[in-house]
Amino acid sequence: NAGVMQNPRHLVRRRGQEARLRCSPMKGHSHVYWYRQLPEEGLKFMVYLQKENIIDESGMPKERFSAEFPKEGPSILRIQQVVRGDSAAYFCASSKTRWDNSPLHFGNGTRLTVT
Amino acid sequence: TQLLEQSPQFLSIQEGENLTVYCNSSSVFSSLQWYRQEPGEGPVLLVTVVTGGEVKKLKRLTFQFGDARKDSSLHITAAQPGDTGLYLCAGASTDYKLSFGAGTTVTVRA
Repeated sequence: NAGVMQNPRHLVRRRGQEARLRCSPMKGHSHVYWYRQLPEEGLKFMVYLQKENIIDESGMPKERFSAEFPKEGPSILRIQQVVRGDSAAYFCASSKTRWDNSPLHFGNGTRLTVT
Repeated sequence: TQLLEQSPQFLSIQEGENLTVYCNSSSVFSSLQWYRQEPGEGPVLLVTVVTGGEVKKLKRLTFQFGDARKDSSLHITAAQPGDTGLYLCAGASTDYKLSFGAGTTVTVRA
C-alpha cells in the first residue's frame, strides 16, 4: 500500500499529556498538509510543510501545537499539554507538487481523544 | 476564511433514486473539488472543476461549477448503496489553502 500512512489510528491522552501524530506521505511526495476534523464540521487547514520547511502554519494554534517534516522520516504533528477541546480527527494529506498542480491524497487519520 | 455551505446536511434515499448536493459560497474560487469520505477513512478526491460553467461526469455522478465560480452541485443518478458516504466540497482561493464545507451525509437504502 503506497498511500498516505498515519499512525496511530486512535490515540487516547489525559489532559496535560503530549500527543504525537505521525504521517508518512506517499512515495515521491514532498508536500504535506495537516487538517483537523470535528464531528459535523468540515476539515480545517492547520499547516502546510514542504521537506524541512513550514510553508504556512496560519491554521495552527500558536500555543501547544507544532509540526515538522524532517529530511528523513515522517511528518509529526505535536500537541503539548492536551485539553479536551483538542479531541478530533487529524488528517494528513500529501501531494507531489503544490496541491493545486497535483492531487491531494489523504491518510485515514488519527482520532485523538483527550480524557 | 472563506465559508462554504453545503446542503442538505443529511440525505436519505432509496436505491435507484436521484439526488443532488449543493455547495454555495459568497466567495469566488479558482477551483473547486469534491471528495467522498467513508467512516473511519480519509477523504478521497472525486473531481476538480476549474472553469465557470464547467460540467464533469464521472459515471453516474455529474459535477457542475457555477458560472461565477461561487457554487457547485453534485448530482447522482440511480443511486446505489455503494454511494453512501460523506460528500465534501472544497474551494481553492488564490493561495493554496483548501476551504472545506461541513459535508452532506448521504445514505442510500437498499
